[in-house]
Amino acid sequence: GNSVTQMEGPVTLSEEAFLTINCTYTATGYPSLFWYVQYPGEGLQLLLKATKADDKGSNKGFEATYRKETTSFHLEKGSVQVSDSAVYFCALSKTGRRALTFGSGTRLQVQP
Amino acid sequence: ETGVTQSPTHLIKTRGQQVTLRCSSQSGHNTVSWYQQALGQGPQFIFQYYREEENGRGNFPPRFSGLQFPNYSSELNVNALELDDSALYLCASSLRLGGDYNEQFFGPGTRLTVL
Repeated sequence: GNSVTQMEGPVTLSEEAFLTINCTYTATGYPSLFWYVQYPGEGLQLLLKATKADDKGSNKGFEATYRKETTSFHLEKGSVQVSDSAVYFCALSKTGRRALTFGSGTRLQVQP
Repeated sequence: ETGVTQSPTHLIKTRGQQVTLRCSSQSGHNTVSWYQQALGQGPQFIFQYYREEENGRGNFPPRFSGLQFPNYSSELNVNALELDDSALYLCASSLRLGGDYNEQFFGPGTRLTVL
């Protein structure tokens, strides 16, 4: 079946540091890949997505590239801010399928 | 444009009771999905409703059931509550056109505690 594995947190960084959160997946075919963010007390918000191999999703300074050869979709940001503190979820969905499969989430804490 | 709303925000029940959670989909959306998010875990797909019918189900027992209404709002019902049902329940709405499933927009969730 489909699965998503994320690096465990929490990840603690100082403001303006470089961020990488690793995500690998297991799925047949060519799934769509997503990063969602969950701020304290809120629901999930789509951060970025990629629908085919070598696509790069980007939003608010965050980027992730769909790597079919390594089945990975690592999240990166060049300079984090305190306001980026949240839980980040990697997820996939199979083309034409209805359900999202999520990883267990990675908590990011950015200190001033 | 109104986003996805859920009610109630928090709920406390005892083991064996039944609970109903409600979700109003975003304007223009015709599909509602429900997810269970246990503490410290990622959301798990429960089921999806499209045109008032269940349209896919995850690995959840039959005591988890749902409804979708003509206005596309939805309910999640859980019977015979167990302690492990304590979780954040997320509703997500989306627009399905033919066979195309578009982006899911999530509500803030209902926090259910079973004592």
